[in-house]
Amino acid sequence: EAGVAQSPRYKIIEKRQSVAFWCNPISGHATLYWYQQILGQGPKLLIQFQNNGVVDDSQLPKDRFSAERLKGVDSTLKIQPAKLEDSAVYLCASSPSPSPPLHFGNGTRLTVT
Amino acid sequence: QKEVEQNSGPLSVPEGAIASLNCTYSDRVSQSFFWYRQYSGKSPELIMSIYSNGDKEDGRFTAQLNKASQYVSLLIRDSQPSDSATYLCAVFDNNNDMRFGAGTRLTVKP
Repeated sequence: EAGVAQSPRYKIIEKRQSVAFWCNPISGHATLYWYQQILGQGPKLLIQFQNNGVVDDSQLPKDRFSAERLKGVDSTLKIQPAKLEDSAVYLCASSPSPSPPLHFGNGTRLTVT
Repeated sequence: QKEVEQNSGPLSVPEGAIASLNCTYSDRVSQSFFWYRQYSGKSPELIMSIYSNGDKEDGRFTAQLNKASQYVSLLIRDSQPSDSATYLCAVFDNNNDMRFGAGTRLTVKP
């Protein structure tokens, strides 16, 4: 089966610019997660979707981050405006149901200058 | 704040030795526990899962869980240079959240 697809692979922007990341989960996986992984740290959950509904977005900085999964399949994570501390790898993961195991995509490495 | 704690390392072992990785968690009601391996610049990949107290073995890997002590460990026997990576402990809680530790960086020296 095809894995979790993410794009772009790398992105470099200046602070205060906006950026969007795209994720296509494994076919049939109802649950989709966005994680932020800062260098040297473990992944931190930003938002979890079950189909097209938000299950948990308690750690999403809602003043600048937004995410949607309109049709319950692919998802977009946006940052506007970006800050230097947003430099990280953004990982998308999916699972058939809201339970493990999680299957990760290759991530998008964001550098904010 | 629910926490998952790991020694950041680096942990260095010679080839053929046993590598021991440890993890503690704060949420007592957590039920599922996982070890992910992450090579530099790559995404995490699941290597072990454990749900009940005791040991679970899979090839050279053994996961150990002690819910009373809120402690999970991973043993890697006959360590190989290809095992050099960061190992992430993850805990799945009753809120359907998967929380990760900061990871332990393991280096296996030939």
